[in-house]
Amino acid sequence: SQTIHQWPATLVQPVGSPLSLECTVEGTSNPNLYWYRQAAGRGLQLLFYSVGIGQISSEVPQNLSASRPQDRQFILSSKKLLLSDSGFYLCAWGVNTGELFFGEGSRLTVL
Amino acid sequence: AQSVTQPDIHITVSEGASLELRCNYSYGATPYLFWYVQSPGQGLQLLLKYFSGDTLVQGIKGFEAEFKRSQSSFNLRKPSVHWSDAAEYFCAVGPTNSGNTPLVFGKGTRLSVIA
Repeated sequence: SQTIHQWPATLVQPVGSPLSLECTVEGTSNPNLYWYRQAAGRGLQLLFYSVGIGQISSEVPQNLSASRPQDRQFILSSKKLLLSDSGFYLCAWGVNTGELFFGEGSRLTVL
Repeated sequence: AQSVTQPDIHITVSEGASLELRCNYSYGATPYLFWYVQSPGQGLQLLLKYFSGDTLVQGIKGFEAEFKRSQSSFNLRKPSVHWSDAAEYFCAVGPTNSGNTPLVFGKGTRLSVIA
């Protein structure tokens, strides 16, 4: 069966520090991969999605970037974090019908 | 552009009472429709989905949803709510012609359950 792993689960970082959140999927090949962010009371905001290795679509211009170095690995990064980057980050993988399967999320607090 | 509206930000119901969470969408054609649930600090879990066929779909945990094309709605229902149903619920839509296009989510409805 397919599983999705996301880490770290919790992260507290100072403003200006770098960020790396990692997501890996097992049990499937060539999945569509997604990064979402949840800020308090603002629902799900799509940040990036990828339909293949090295193919990244950015939905929102911001301080973040994404990379897909391997078929089932999706990384969210930042060179210098801002206070506004705080939030709950969710990785997901998708199938052809659009259905998404989510990881457990990473809580980022920028101080 | 496609959009999803969940008119209720927060709903409180008594345990054992019935529940209906509203979802309206704007889309050029009949989309794929989904309901997800999120417990605090957790990822989203799929409750149910509608692709085609019978407009009343059954999901996990005793939930069901009905697709009404004329009203562009996909409301989620449960006949008797349990305290463990307290969570955030998200409605989402996706295109039927491309699995690569990301789902569009509503802003969510937070459900509280009281004794």
